[in-house]
Amino acid sequence: EAEVAQSPRYKITEKSQAVAFWCDPISGHATLYWYRQILGQGPELLVQFQDESVVDDSQLPKDRFSAERLKGVDSTLKIQPAELGDSAMYLCASSKFGYEGYEQYFGPGTRLTVT
Amino acid sequence: AQTVTQSQPEMSVQEAETVTLSCTYDTSESDYYLFWYKQPPSRQMILVIRQEAYKQQNATENRFSVNFQKAAKSFSLKISDSQLGDAAMYFCASKTPYGNKLVFGAGTILRVKS
Repeated sequence: EAEVAQSPRYKITEKSQAVAFWCDPISGHATLYWYRQILGQGPELLVQFQDESVVDDSQLPKDRFSAERLKGVDSTLKIQPAELGDSAMYLCASSKFGYEGYEQYFGPGTRLTVT
Repeated sequence: AQTVTQSQPEMSVQEAETVTLSCTYDTSESDYYLFWYKQPPSRQMILVIRQEAYKQQNATENRFSVNFQKAAKSFSLKISDSQLGDAAMYFCASKTPYGNKLVFGAGTILRVKS
């Protein structure tokens, strides 16, 4: 069964450093999501792509976070510079479409620790 | 804006017994979707069950069923014949048809005792 792939699974970085996460959605899924999950809380959407276009980045801290999905397939989320408060699990998800109730399939996540 | 509230941080159930996880939500929309997701330790989140608000019939998936009370804005998950593999964090979430994002609750940790 197809799965959403993410790498790395774990990342430790010092504050003020740059860090990047990669996501490969399920083939054929037009919609890709990046969520941030702080320990003990539910995931919160950071950015959503429809193909290569951003459709929602209202919760993305744009002064330090950036995301791209250049060819409408895989995606990269970058943090520059990282801050202590960025320590969290970063989840990638994909769905066939973003509207209605299409199921979102989640990857295993990248656990980021900023020291 | 949508909000989702899960008031039970942690629940326990004996193997083979039944447990109900609570969820309330708030939305001004008349049409929306509700979900329960399961997040096992160190594994990816998976969809357990989905309910479309315009459908009055409660959704069921094998041992999992929901009690959807639209007027009360309540969406509880019942797990029957609990198994050790059901131990996980469970998230309730909502979404509007034209909206893009899932709005999650804070989650409920379910522990299953053998």
